[in-house]
Amino acid sequence: GAGVSQTPSNKVTEKGKYVELRCDPISGHTALYWYRQSLGQGPEFLIYFQGTGAADDSGLPNDRFFAVRPEGSVSTLKIQRTERGDSAVYLCASSFYPGGRAGELFFGEGSRLTVL
Amino acid sequence: ELKVEQNPLFLSMQEGKNYTIYCNYSTTSDRLYWYRQDPGKSLESLFVLLSNGAVKQEGRLMASLDTKARLSTLHITAAVHDLSATYFCAGISNSNSGYALNFGKGTSLLVTP
Repeated sequence: GAGVSQTPSNKVTEKGKYVELRCDPISGHTALYWYRQSLGQGPEFLIYFQGTGAADDSGLPNDRFFAVRPEGSVSTLKIQRTERGDSAVYLCASSFYPGGRAGELFFGEGSRLTVL
Repeated sequence: ELKVEQNPLFLSMQEGKNYTIYCNYSTTSDRLYWYRQDPGKSLESLFVLLSNGAVKQEGRLMASLDTKARLSTLHITAAVHDLSATYFCAGISNSNSGYALNFGKGTSLLVTP
């Protein structure tokens, strides 16, 4: 597709449930980021992939959060035992830069997660 | 960790007026990003400022970067209603990878007739 695609766009779940959020980056972009945005706040960094590996997962809040990118393209953010405080918009972004530092990041529309 | 502070956080301005949004950051960041976000939408990249003294302009928006002062500005000229949105600045964090962007809280701009 032309842009970063995220599914689902909306997810409502109950406390304690498991959730998966999917991101399909722009074709050819080697770098993929997950961010979380709470109401009225700026995006908060969660994890960054360069290819298949997580190059920086320092933003993941705890071990209930995990992300994978097995083939270096699509990524899945997984949240176990969801809590009400996990409610937010989860944004995915991708970028292309051949070996250099971060260039322009292109963001998806986000997945709005509501934990009841 | 890189801290990014924007001010003002809320701005209401009349059409045709000029104004500047300020973005201060706490530690070294060799590049600075500006994004726009409309309600319920994702972030749209406006500018990437790569070096000290960089200035970029697009339409009624002009962004600049002073790395010595750790300051970036987004100047709005002759505002129009279509510019109403939330504007974020972000710097590069000196984390392990050096690729994580740290965002400010955003400046919510409302342009009124």
